[in-house]
Amino acid sequence: SQTIHQWPATLVQPVGSPLSLECTVEGTSNPNLYWYRQAAGRGLQLLFYSVGIGQISSEVPQNLSASRPQDRQFILSSKKLLLSDSGFYLCAWSHDSVNTEAFFGQGTRLTVV
Amino acid sequence: GEDVEQSLFLSVREGDSSVINCTYTDSSSTYLYWYKQEPGAGLQLLTYIFSNMDMKQDQRLTVLLNKKDKHLSLRIADTQTGDSAIYFCAEVKVPSNTGKLIFGQGTTLQVKP
Repeated sequence: SQTIHQWPATLVQPVGSPLSLECTVEGTSNPNLYWYRQAAGRGLQLLFYSVGIGQISSEVPQNLSASRPQDRQFILSSKKLLLSDSGFYLCAWSHDSVNTEAFFGQGTRLTVV
Repeated sequence: GEDVEQSLFLSVREGDSSVINCTYTDSSSTYLYWYKQEPGAGLQLLTYIFSNMDMKQDQRLTVLLNKKDKHLSLRIADTQTGDSAIYFCAEVKVPSNTGKLIFGQGTTLQVKP
């Protein structure tokens, strides 16, 4: 069976510090991978998606970047965090198929202070 | 356009039925999903419907789709306190090789005992 792991679960970082959130998927190959952000009281905003190793598409201009160094590994990064980067970050994966149900990780609560 | 909209809050009493509504703007063929998010957790897929269907029932859940009005609803029969959560509707267009989901803002369902 497929599983998705996302860590850490919570993170408190000072403004200007770097960020690295990691997400890995097990039990499948060549998944589509996604990073979403959920601001407090808001819906989900797609930040990045990837259809293959080294292929990253950015949905919105921002202070964050993403990388996919391996087939089932997706990393969200920042060189210098801003207060506005606070939020709940969710990693997800889906099959590259017609019914693109997405499976989500448990999320990372990031607070920038 | 790619807007998906939901009402933000719904309060019901335990044992009553809950109806959560969603509207979307894109009339191209699509899958439509309902996800549930419990506090501090990731998203869990509840059910989905393809746009050539009018209704889908799965135990206590009934999804109704009105294609003419681009309106989607999720009915939860015999609502329990464990159903308290945020419910997101989402759509994806087919054919799609990216699987990007467009989410609504989420409806917070409060179930009172």
